[in-house]
Amino acid sequence: SYVLTQPPSVSVAPGKTARITCGGNNVGNEGVHWYQQRPGQAPILVIYYDSARPSGIPERFSGSNSGDTATLTISRVEAGDEADYYCQVWDSSSDHVIFGGGTKLTVL
Amino acid sequence: EVQLVESGGGLVQPGGSLRLSCAVSGFSVSGNYMSWVRQAPGKGLEWVSVIYSGGSTYYADSVKDRFTISRDNSKNTLYLQMNSLTAEDTAVYYCARQYQRNGQLDYWGQGTLVTVSS
Repeated sequence: SYVLTQPPSVSVAPGKTARITCGGNNVGNEGVHWYQQRPGQAPILVIYYDSARPSGIPERFSGSNSGDTATLTISRVEAGDEADYYCQVWDSSSDHVIFGGGTKLTVL
Repeated sequence: EVQLVESGGGLVQPGGSLRLSCAVSGFSVSGNYMSWVRQAPGKGLEWVSVIYSGGSTYYADSVKDRFTISRDNSKNTLYLQMNSLTAEDTAVYYCARQYQRNGQLDYWGQGTLVTVSS
């Protein structure tokens, strides 16, 4: 089955830019969605179809997807951005939703 | 306003059964794709099952033949019947709306905890 690979952790100083990657075979051909999950809370959607932002999500959150890597970029990182982030695609061969393993973003 | 409210979680012995419910307001369960996602303690998100608007259902290999997803259109409620539970099924279970077949999970419930232990 399809596998998405994320780095376990990313650290960034406040005000800097965080980039979280999501690797998968030809993932650039898929629609990638990103979720933020703070401790003890349900996930929330922050990017869908590679680069679209739901209403209410700050413009600091952006996404890109090409080749074998999708990337979530968070600009001007704030302390409140500290959370786990998950990428997700749909596997058409099995009709399964696939999640990456998640990346813990730490704001230094 | 869209709301998804899960219920039915709790402590169950290994080999036991449990039925989770997800009461939805703000959109029609029958007209949407609805998924269950779970998260074991300290672990990542794991997709469990989906029911499409047309009624087709799909399951993760880890739960296939043990779990059954269904819906009650009159109650606008999604269900997950879980049988033959093991300790590996211990997790917070979330219901979520899947926008379309390859779409995003755009609305989530708050989750309900299932603990399988003797």
